[in-house]
Amino acid sequence: DIQMTQSPSSLSASVGDRVTITCRASQDISNCLAWFQQKPGKAPKSLIYAASSLQSGVPSKFSGSGSGADFTLTISSLQPEDFATYYCQQYKSYPLTFGGGTKVEIK
Amino acid sequence: EVQLVESGGSLVQPGGSLRLSCAVSGFRFIDHYMDWVRQAPGKGLEWVGRGRNKANSYTTEYGASVKGRFTISRDDSKNSLYLQMNSLKTEDTAVYYCARGVLDYNNYVWFDSWGQGTLVTVSS
Repeated sequence: DIQMTQSPSSLSASVGDRVTITCRASQDISNCLAWFQQKPGKAPKSLIYAASSLQSGVPSKFSGSGSGADFTLTISSLQPEDFATYYCQQYKSYPLTFGGGTKVEIK
Repeated sequence: EVQLVESGGSLVQPGGSLRLSCAVSGFRFIDHYMDWVRQAPGKGLEWVGRGRNKANSYTTEYGASVKGRFTISRDDSKNSLYLQMNSLKTEDTAVYYCARGVLDYNNYVWFDSWGQGTLVTVSS
């Protein structure tokens, strides 16, 4: 199985900050990497697929990069509605696997 | 508008069975792979399994923790996906989400839409 490791597991940031979350795969997954946002009590929301493609309707403050085994999600200017938990997921091979999540909290 | 609505979650005893449903609307269900993902209370996301579309012979894939106990099926005439869960264990307690699969430009399938989830509690 491909292990997905996210870091940090949590972070505190202020409104307006630039935030970067990293995700590392235990083997090469090409660009088969998606990012999701989840708020408490809500379903996950798709943000990015193919490592860097923005899902329709997602604001451009979100961006993704990387290929192979190392990936990043960047939020260019954190807003109050962005405080949530973020998950990466590889969809290159079965079983599909998620990272452990990064909780973004208000400083 | 794409909509996925799960139902069927409830309290069930260990060793029991339960069937979850996911009713969809707003898109051609028959064309899409569909997946189940779960989330134990306070924990992260765990992929449960996938049901491929008619063009791919309705074949399925499962995660190791549910393989042999859970079965994914679908009824394209009812725009519905199902998850039959047998031999339930306390560790199966989770919110279960259905998710729609779509192809990226490399023809790999990712999730673009999720339902709101249904809670399954396995306890005596």
